[in-house]
Amino acid sequence: GQNIDQPTEMTATEGAIVQINCTYQTSGFNGLFWYQQHAGEAPTFLSYNVLDGLEEKGRFSSFLSRSKGYSYLLLKELQMKDSASYLCAVRGGTDKLIFGTGTRLQVFP
Amino acid sequence: GAGVSQSPRYKVAKRGQDVALRCDPISGHVSLFWYQQALGQGPEFLTYFQNEAQLDKSGLPSDRFFAERPEGSVSTLKIQRTQQEDSAVYLCASSKGQPGTDTQYFGPGTRLTVL
Repeated sequence: GQNIDQPTEMTATEGAIVQINCTYQTSGFNGLFWYQQHAGEAPTFLSYNVLDGLEEKGRFSSFLSRSKGYSYLLLKELQMKDSASYLCAVRGGTDKLIFGTGTRLQVFP
Repeated sequence: GAGVSQSPRYKVAKRGQDVALRCDPISGHVSLFWYQQALGQGPEFLTYFQNEAQLDKSGLPSDRFFAERPEGSVSTLKIQRTQQEDSAVYLCASSKGQPGTDTQYFGPGTRLTVL
């Protein structure tokens, strides 16, 4: 079967660093995506990993280990506007994305 | 440039009514996807087009769901004889259809409520 696991909720303090983990088991692997989704809005693209290692983009970084079926999204210097759901998605053997349930992050002052 | 647009943004239907949801992809994007997102869940794949060809409809939950993209641009998702369990946000995404990264860009969704 296909399964993507990520924590349901996380909390953090403004200015801190938070790591959101994602583990996956899918038939086929053709890249892992992270999206941010504010309540009532469209998911917006954050990052893409297809090879092992760390991809850095400003305050956001994403890591992938294909052998472990594991990824994380690292958010630095948290801001209040980072309060949102973070969706981990895998593109398997076809072009469609398989999503986890999302991690709802709340940032407190 | 313009992103993916969807209409209507909100739709309330009585059980048994038919509804049609529209998606305008980013200009020039070859691939178009429909997803269904229940409250508090991640999006779930419904169907996928490459130009006007529907290449995968394995996620459509029943034969009451039908999607088309006749000219390879705008797409319509139709739900016949709506049921309460159809209540969800329906998201449309488009991509260039190129190998590699081929990021999917999402529209704001249509929130369907079936009474």
